[in-house]
Amino acid sequence: AQTVTQSQPEMSVQEAETVTLSCTYDTSESDYYLFWYKQPPSRQMILVIRQEAYKQQNATENRFSVNFQKAAKSFSLKISDSQLGDAAMYFCAYRSAHAGGTSYGKLTFGQGTILTVHP
Amino acid sequence: KAGVTQTPRYLIKTRGQQVTLSCSPISGHRSVSWYQQTPGQGLQFLFEYFSETQRNKGNFPGRFSGRQFSNSRSEMNVSTLELGDSALYLCASSQDPQETQYFGPGTRLLVL
Repeated sequence: AQTVTQSQPEMSVQEAETVTLSCTYDTSESDYYLFWYKQPPSRQMILVIRQEAYKQQNATENRFSVNFQKAAKSFSLKISDSQLGDAAMYFCAYRSAHAGGTSYGKLTFGQGTILTVHP
Repeated sequence: KAGVTQTPRYLIKTRGQQVTLSCSPISGHRSVSWYQQTPGQGLQFLFEYFSETQRNKGNFPGRFSGRQFSNSRSEMNVSTLELGDSALYLCASSQDPQETQYFGPGTRLLVL
């Protein structure tokens, strides 16, 4: 079974600064997808960024970028120029690329990291 | 396109009762997954439906069930509610099970 670990329960950053959230995962599969989701106080889960394991290039989405290290099974999220609206719980998630069995439609989530942004 | 919608947004029930939650996916999405979120257990996968068929189920007791209709709308049902069922129930839709999931706002269930 796959596991996802976020070792930082809480992080804080000053507005306009950069912060990196860590995520490690364990899997025996070679094809998979990794995601970062953001959950603000409204509890709405919002997709931040997605990474396909077969792609060596790190995904970027405006101020959000990832550092994907497949061999190390590490997937960190960097938020540049942090804004007050970035304050939320951030979840790292794994999904198998194999269609079948216990993989169908299942995301495996980490425990989450609460990000506080100070003005 | 409208996002994923979930109804009701809040529910209060008592132990032993049953509850039905509804999820309407994004138009064109045929896969619906359900998750339970609690402070203690985090986010846990309940089940996934695609084309009216349950194709995957998480490690939850049989009191948790669901179904999907021909228009891809999905319902989940919890019978004989227990205090530990108090949680935020999230629904997510995708075009198919292997595509990116987009979440609804959730239904917050409180069992007294």
